[in-house]
Amino acid sequence: DAGITQSPRHKVTETGTPVTLRCHQTENHRYMYWYRQDPGHGLRLIHYSYGVKDTDKGEVSDGYSVSRSKTEDFLLTLESATSSQTSVYFCAISEGPNEQFFGPGTRLTVL
Amino acid sequence: AQSVTQPDIHITVSEGASLELRCNYSYGATPYLFWYVQSPGQGLQLLLKYFSGDTLVQGIKGFEAEFKRSQSSFNLRKPSVHWSDAAEYFCAAKAAGNKLTFGGGTRVLVKP
Repeated sequence: DAGITQSPRHKVTETGTPVTLRCHQTENHRYMYWYRQDPGHGLRLIHYSYGVKDTDKGEVSDGYSVSRSKTEDFLLTLESATSSQTSVYFCAISEGPNEQFFGPGTRLTVL
Repeated sequence: AQSVTQPDIHITVSEGASLELRCNYSYGATPYLFWYVQSPGQGLQLLLKYFSGDTLVQGIKGFEAEFKRSQSSFNLRKPSVHWSDAAEYFCAAKAAGNKLTFGGGTRVLVKP
């Protein structure tokens, strides 16, 4: 399995609070991604990174920001969590245009 | 807009029976195509991929998929299903760049 960890694995928070999710890889892959998974929607891309300090928006980026200060870490921040951001969040990595490898996911509940 | 469609939300199959999951894509040119499987509470695992060449692709766990350009389809098949194949299956496609687009998923239930 690709060396991808996500933390925390589960989190419950309240509306309006900031939340940061962490993705850590040991594969030294260039590309990292954040997705959210909701029933009936498959996975939708939030943000991605193509190198240290290089990031871009995906299809559902509103309300989310990301940072990548090291190759191995990609952080996803919800500046002010809302109930619509209750979801399962997956990190993925890839090296170039090949397949992406996924982490175990973080289940976030916003009350 | 680029899209991936999985027409079946749920499929129930008896153990030992064959399984086929449908996937259609809408892209200007043939994208890279993937099938992933997700067991309950787990991340996604790559089953197989198609980039070019032979249109019948073999994957892990006894799965195969067939690319049909004329139908814009990439259907997943398994000749004989095991109880451990109960999971959710996602088709995904990628054109230029590294952005994957996923279908909505098909949940497979296996009857004993």
